Amino acid sequence: EAQVTQNPRYLITVTGKKLTVTCSQNMNHEYMSWYRQDPGLGLRQIYYSMNVEVTDKGDVPEGYKVSRKEKRNFPLILESPSPNQTSLYFCASSLYMGRDYGYTFGSGTRLTVV
Amino acid sequence: DQQVKQNSPSLSVQEGRISILNCDYTNSMFDYFLWYKKYPAEGPTFLISISSIKDKNEDGRFTVFLNKSAKHLSLHIVPSQPGDSAVYFCAVKAAGNKLTFGGGTRVLVKP
Repeated sequence: EAQVTQNPRYLITVTGKKLTVTCSQNMNHEYMSWYRQDPGLGLRQIYYSMNVEVTDKGDVPEGYKVSRKEKRNFPLILESPSPNQTSLYFCASSLYMGRDYGYTFGSGTRLTVV
Repeated sequence: DQQVKQNSPSLSVQEGRISILNCDYTNSMFDYFLWYKKYPAEGPTFLISISSIKDKNEDGRFTVFLNKSAKHLSLHIVPSQPGDSAVYFCAVKAAGNKLTFGGGTRVLVKP
C-alpha cells in the first residue's frame, strides 16, 4: 500500500530534550515536506526537500532541522524543543512537479512540549 | 500575511442539502488549486483540484469552482452526507511544488 509513515503518533517531552520524528514513504517520491497544524492557522510548511541532499526552509523553520540522506526518509529534528512547538505535525510527499493531486500525507504526530 | 483564507471556520448543513465552502487567495500566480479533507486523528487526504486554466471541475458529488478575477475558490458538495463531516482545507500550488493551505472549515452534516 502506498503510504507515508510517521512515528511516533503521540509524544510528550520536556523543554530542551532533543527529539526526532521519523517520516518514510514507499512511493519513490522526490518531494517531501513537513507541516505543522495549529488552530485557525491551517497547515504551515516547516521544511521541504526536492530530492536527496536537497532541503530548504519553508514558512516556519525556526527551531527545526531536517535531513534527506535517503530518498524514502525525511526526519524532523527538534534540537531543543520549546512549548511553542506543541502542535500537530504532518509529513507529506509527492512527485516533484507532479500532477495536480498534490501531496500524500502521513497520519500525523501530536507533540506536546512541557 | 495569509495568502490563502477560509473565512468560515465552521459550517453546519442538513443531510441531503448543499454544502458550499469558500476560499480566497491573494496571488494570481498560483497554477493549481486543491481541496483536502481531514478526519480527526488522520492526515489530510486529497479531494479534488482544478487547474488555473479552468473554471470548474466536477467529481461525483464534489465540484470546485474557480473565479480568477475575484481570486476566489469554492467547493460544492451535493448532496451532503454525514460521512462528509470533516475539516476541509483549500490549498494553492505555485511553482516549486509548494502547497499553501487555508485555515480550514469544519463541516458538520446533520442527519
